[in-house]
This record gives sequence, C-alpha cells and structure tokens, in this order.
Amino acid sequence: SQQGEEDPQALSIQEGENATMNCSYKTSINNLQWYRQNSGRGLVHLILIRSNEREKHSGRLRVTLDTSKKSSSLLITASRAADTASYFCATPGPKGSSYKLIFGSGTRLLVRP
Amino acid sequence: NAGVTQTPKFQVLKTGQSMTLQCAQDMNHNSMYWYRQDPGMGLRLIYYSASEGTTDKGEVPNGYNVSRLNKREFSLRLESAAPSQTSVYFCASSEGDRHSNQPQHFGDGTRLSIL
Repeated sequence: SQQGEEDPQALSIQEGENATMNCSYKTSINNLQWYRQNSGRGLVHLILIRSNEREKHSGRLRVTLDTSKKSSSLLITASRAADTASYFCATPGPKGSSYKLIFGSGTRLLVRP
Repeated sequence: NAGVTQTPKFQVLKTGQSMTLQCAQDMNHNSMYWYRQDPGMGLRLIYYSASEGTTDKGEVPNGYNVSRLNKREFSLRLESAAPSQTSVYFCASSEGDRHSNQPQHFGDGTRLSIL
C-alpha cells in the first residue's frame, strides 16, 4: 500500500542544532502532511505541502517536496528541548479514497538541553 | 475551544468484555476518523465517517463497529475485546470529504489494555 516511511527512525541532537528527517513514499500524491506527536498526546498537524510546491516554511520548520524522487524532508532549525517528539509524514490514500491518510512509523527526535 | 475530546483516557478490560470509546468534536467538521497506534508503528485507520449516518471501513476494521451519532460525535465499539486490540486509540476530525485531503485534528487518545 502507498505509505510514507520516515528516516531516521530516531535522532538525538543538542539544543540549538538543526534536525532533519526524511520521508519517502511509493506512488504519486497531490499533497503530503507532517505531524508531531508529543509523548502521551495526540498528533498535531504541522504543515501541508502540495505537489506543485517545492518548499514551504512555518516558523522554524522548513518542508521540501521532491515529487521526482518521491521524497520529502522536514527541517527544524535552532531546535529546542520542547521539540522532543515523534514526527510523522502522511500521504493520501489511493484515488477514490484520498480522504484516507497513510502514516509512516515516525522519527523519534530527542533534543538534549 | 476543546477541539477533539475522547473518553475515557484509560481503560482495562478482560477478554470478551465489550466497550464503547467516545469521541466528540466542536469544530463543525464533516469527517471523523478512528485510528489505532501500536508500538513502533504509525497510525492505522479503523473506520471513517464522511457525514452523519455514513461510515466506511479503513485498513483494520475487524472486531470493531462505529456509530456516527450526529455531526459532533463518532463512537467506536469493541463487542468482544481480544488481547490483540490492546492499543492506543485516536479519534480525529477534518474539514475534508471523500475527495479531498485536509489537515486532521486529533484527540489525546484512549489507552486500552485487554487482559
């Protein structure tokens, strides 16, 4: 099935450093979403990037999308301890069921103070 | 503004017991979803509802039933709980419909253990 897979599975960085996580998917999509999940909480939507966009910014977040490589990256600049969380990419389901979001297994980010 | 509210937050059941997980949203969203999240895995869709009175099966619907009571509420029922249903269950809602893909808003989950 169409699925986004994040890489790496886990990432540990020092506060102030940048964190980059990647997502690869299998088939053509019209958009891709990134979500954050803090421990014990639900997912929070971060950003949606459409297939005709190559880059999108939101605060300290920068998302890129390369449809030719079927990949996306999420960059968090100047990381903070509060950025410690799991990050998931999500892609739409097949045509006719695009309302379905297919989630990857996530990247666990630890930002050390 | 509460967003998506799930009850209960925690529950322990014995095998064979039944239970209903409740979900309500106050954002006037048309679409609502039930997911389960297991360790090391992303979320998997159990059921989806595009509007009151309509439901569709997701990736893992076996062992579950749902009811879209009204626009606000979407409940998930386990008729005869099994240990394999031990998981964290998330409810979500969005403005999207069957043909579009919009950001989803999640509740904080129900942690369910089946002994």
